[in-house]
Amino acid sequence: DAGVIQSPRHEVTEMGQEVTLRCKPISGHDYLFWYRQTMMRGLELLIYFNNNVPIDDSGMPEDRFSAKMPNASFSTLKIQPSEPRDSAVYFCASSLFGGRYGYTFGSGTRLTVV
Amino acid sequence: SQQGEEDPQALSIQEGENATMNCSYKTSINNLQWYRQNSGRGLVHLILIRSNEREKHSGRLRVTLDTSKKSSSLLITASRAADTASYFCATDQNAGNMLTFGGGTRLMVKP
Repeated sequence: DAGVIQSPRHEVTEMGQEVTLRCKPISGHDYLFWYRQTMMRGLELLIYFNNNVPIDDSGMPEDRFSAKMPNASFSTLKIQPSEPRDSAVYFCASSLFGGRYGYTFGSGTRLTVV
Repeated sequence: SQQGEEDPQALSIQEGENATMNCSYKTSINNLQWYRQNSGRGLVHLILIRSNEREKHSGRLRVTLDTSKKSSSLLITASRAADTASYFCATDQNAGNMLTFGGGTRLMVKP
């Protein structure tokens, strides 16, 4: 298995633009998580899915953020409109049975909003 | 909120020395896990210790768990420059399906 695949690896966009981050989880995993990491706030859980259904989105900063998981092999995190304070590294992770056996993280998308 | 809190926040040692990092948590857990993050990369799962275990080894890694004190430690023996990374503990709480990550310890191993 190629692991959790995220794209793009780097994204630079102008304030106000729409940004879409993509994630392909490990086949067979039933949980998918989106995290944001910054120096100031550390690792923050934004939202997670179980069997493609959003379970907890309480970490999503505001209405500008939305996430979808249309099928078991694909998820997107969208920011519209983007702001400079959204600049961070966004990680996707997947797992089997929640946290029971650990997560597999993708390499992340480094987002810079100018 | 982040349940796991690592201590120290940063650690600098010489190659060959041992590195010890600690993690404290607040609620009952099913298991506790340690992850490593190299600069610019995602977190990588290192080791998992269940709540009924007290010690676990994996190569140069040794993890202990004290559920009465709600704390864990990660020991890296004979450290190498390649061990330079951030290390995070994460807890699998009894009531949840997700892990709660701490703030991490930044380890620098000088050659």
